[in-house]
Amino acid sequence: GQQLNQSPQSMFIQEGEDVSMNCTSSSIFNTWLWYKQDPGEGPVLLIALYKAGELTSNGRLTAQFGITRKDSFLNISASIPSDVGIYFCAGQKLSGANNLFFGTGTRLTVIP
Amino acid sequence: GAVVSQHPSWVICKSGTSVKIECRSLDFQATTMFWYRQFPKQSLMLMATSNEGSKATYEQGVEKDKFLINHASLTLSTLTVTSAHPEDSSFYICSARDPGLAHTDTQYFGPGTRLTVL
Repeated sequence: GQQLNQSPQSMFIQEGEDVSMNCTSSSIFNTWLWYKQDPGEGPVLLIALYKAGELTSNGRLTAQFGITRKDSFLNISASIPSDVGIYFCAGQKLSGANNLFFGTGTRLTVIP
Repeated sequence: GAVVSQHPSWVICKSGTSVKIECRSLDFQATTMFWYRQFPKQSLMLMATSNEGSKATYEQGVEKDKFLINHASLTLSTLTVTSAHPEDSSFYICSARDPGLAHTDTQYFGPGTRLTVL
């Protein structure tokens, strides 16, 4: 199946720093989702985006749905140790359709 | 958000045996659930879509006779790995949509089941 390209693949940052990661695709998506996965756990939804250009925040997290509908980014401000994990973007092409395509993931390590 | 549970959280079995994994939506009814597989350090790959009251839809390359899916009620889908082999060892994760939400596209994931086949 199609995969979304996520970058960077991994990041090592100091506690308190801001983080930015993005997700790109050659296809248009109608919905963009950002998930965080801790080791041995299922992905947990962080932010959902439903409109091109939409900018949505959830606490220290901010995500945007790209105008072209082919990309999205996620920012984390003032990182803390519990932000450690793997962040996945996911896109859906049509409302009600099955096709949720996942990004390759960004592994975040926060150094206290 | 909607809550999805999975059972068991981990299972170890001998090669050739069958293993059943349950996925439940705890606070909503899910007409559609999804089964994913995730190998170490890789992303999630959709295996099949489980539809309540009808046959599952399998992704290309996924053997339907090996990965049996049953969605007998609006809150329960099961995945049975038949005649499991070591290469089936993986992290199996289910998800479900909550049709009661304004945006029904969003999928909520279970905590996953780690399958190890010896």
